[in-house]
Amino acid sequence: DQQVKQNSPSLSVQEGRISILNCDYTNSMFDYFLWYKKYPAEGPTFLISISSIKDKNEDGRFTVFLNKSAKHLSLHIVPSQPGDSAVYFCAARARSFGNEKLTFGTGTRLTIIP
Amino acid sequence: DVKVTQSSRYLVKRTGEKVFLECVQDMDHENMFWYRQDPGLGLRLIYFSYDVKMKEKGDIPEGYSVSREKKERFSLILESASTNQTSMYLCASRGYGYTFGSGTRLTVV
Repeated sequence: DQQVKQNSPSLSVQEGRISILNCDYTNSMFDYFLWYKKYPAEGPTFLISISSIKDKNEDGRFTVFLNKSAKHLSLHIVPSQPGDSAVYFCAARARSFGNEKLTFGTGTRLTIIP
Repeated sequence: DVKVTQSSRYLVKRTGEKVFLECVQDMDHENMFWYRQDPGLGLRLIYFSYDVKMKEKGDIPEGYSVSREKKERFSLILESASTNQTSMYLCASRGYGYTFGSGTRLTVV
């Protein structure tokens, strides 16, 4: 049962245009959402996050939007650059008895076309 | 910067072998995690530990065990490796945020 889903396995975007990556979740107990970027042969690196009490967070070229009623979040990258080509994972945090764990989506491979 | 080091980048093991994957972090973090990454399935949590000698099952613990004898070291054990355990294994440590190691690509033949 996939609680966090990224329905687009891949996405190609022209350099300079906007990249929009989407993520859906089912568990209402998630209270924090994160985006990670992963290059081949490297571990995921943190990109940007958003608390469930907010609907937008911005950091430079990256903006994350959260729609709680739709259980949907999206990552916008603008303008897209060749170095943004990577696999992007969304992740959702749940807390239980003082511990927390992240549940990851299936990933979207973003390719920026020069 | 927090460093999470996984001892092997690539491993090839035979079916039925006992396999140890080692992970060390250098920031005195209490929480450590083991994930596996498979195409189309993303990262799935195998086990995690919130303190020395403490462990909790993640979403897919079957066929795995873990050991946390020291705070900095979290080991993943495949008791009897099988071909469906061929995967990329990622260790993570959590302080303020999560830091991942570079991964171990394990092939079971």
